[in-house]
Order: sequence, then structure tokens, then C-alpha cells
Amino acid sequence: AQSVAQPEDQVNVAEGNPLTVKCTYSVSGNPYLFWYVQYPNRGLQFLLKYITGDNLVKGSYGFEAEFNKSQTSFHLKKPSALVSDSALYFCAVRTFGNEKLTFGTGTRLTIIP
Amino acid sequence: DAGVIQSPRHEVTEMGQEVTLRCKPISGHDYLFWYRQTMMRGLELLIYFNNNVPIDDSGMPEDRFSAKMPNASFSTLKIQPSEPRDSAVYFCASSFADRGRFNEQFFGPGTRLTVL
Repeated sequence: AQSVAQPEDQVNVAEGNPLTVKCTYSVSGNPYLFWYVQYPNRGLQFLLKYITGDNLVKGSYGFEAEFNKSQTSFHLKKPSALVSDSALYFCAVRTFGNEKLTFGTGTRLTIIP
Repeated sequence: DAGVIQSPRHEVTEMGQEVTLRCKPISGHDYLFWYRQTMMRGLELLIYFNNNVPIDDSGMPEDRFSAKMPNASFSTLKIQPSEPRDSAVYFCASSFADRGRFNEQFFGPGTRLTVL
């Protein structure tokens, strides 16, 4: 079975400060990890993914995520937060041969001007 | 590319009525997914198709729910009869599975269903 945990329902960050949204996972085998963002009344938008290779993955809108196998984590980061980054963020995991994505419960990120 | 298209965007119906949600995936994508999002349960996978064939419907909550994909460019999710607890946002997503690659899913804008 595969699962994802996002331990924080809500994260508040001042504009201009670095932000981190946490994600841990559990799978049998190698994980393939994804981050999605959801703006109000919109569908989920893909941000970035880790498949293999470099543990630091860069994605859209200046976001990056670091894969840490020993800690089974895939935290989302950004060096300097913008008010427009305020949204709901989802981490997801799948494995080889399984097209099903398992999503976390989401973290609401609020950037305070 | 127009992206994944869903219709209607909003649907309000009365308990007991039949509801049909529609989805047009991105051209060339061979996987199609139906999800449901609620505050209580988060994002749930209901069913997914590969090359128009249902692969896993273990997330379909009850026999009242059914999904079809008659061709590569169209899918429906039907609820009959609808109940108030079916109120949610329903998303369709599609992806292209290329051997050796793990492509992301592209989501539609969703259909907000309210059952009174």
C-alpha cells in the first residue's frame, strides 16, 4: 500500500520569507513523487515531480522539492514567498507499474503581506 | 491545447435525480481518472481507465455510481439516484503513460455538484 502524509493543515509565511510545505510518504519499492497546487475554484495544477536522479527537483513558479530517501520525505520549498503563492498544496506518490496516484490531505499555504 | 474539459461546471439537483458529469481528456492521453473532493474526505480516486477500458473502480462508493468511456475523447460519470452526501467537486484528469516515463496527470476545472 502507498500513502502520503502532510502533517500541517495550514502554513502561514510572511511575504519574502522562505517557505516549506512538508510531505512524507510510505511505499513498497521506489517512490515517484509529485506536488500539485490548487487555487480557489480551480483544478489541481502540476508543480514538479521526482522520478530518479538528482534529489533536488526544480519546478514551476520558483518552487523546488528535495527527495530524502532515508527520511522518506519530499518537502516543497521556495526561497522567497509571494502573496500569489497562497493556495492549497498536495503531495502525491505512486510506484512503478501503478498509475494510481495517492494524494495527501493537502496543506493550505497563506502568504501574509 | 485546451486541456481537460469538464461539463457542466456547476450542477444543482434534487435528491433522487440522475446526474451525468462529462469529461473530454487531452488528445493523445491514454489514461483517464475520475476524482471526488470533499472537505471531509479530501481527494479520492473513484475510477480510472486505460485506452477506454476501466482498470480500477475500487473507489466507486456505491452501485449508484457508474462511469463509461465509449471512446478516447469522452467519458461520463453518472449518479443515479443522487443523494445529498454526493455533493462534492468532481474532477477528471488525464495522462499519457510513456514506457520508462512517469508523466503527471492533468486535471480539469471540476464540476461542483450540489444535491438538495
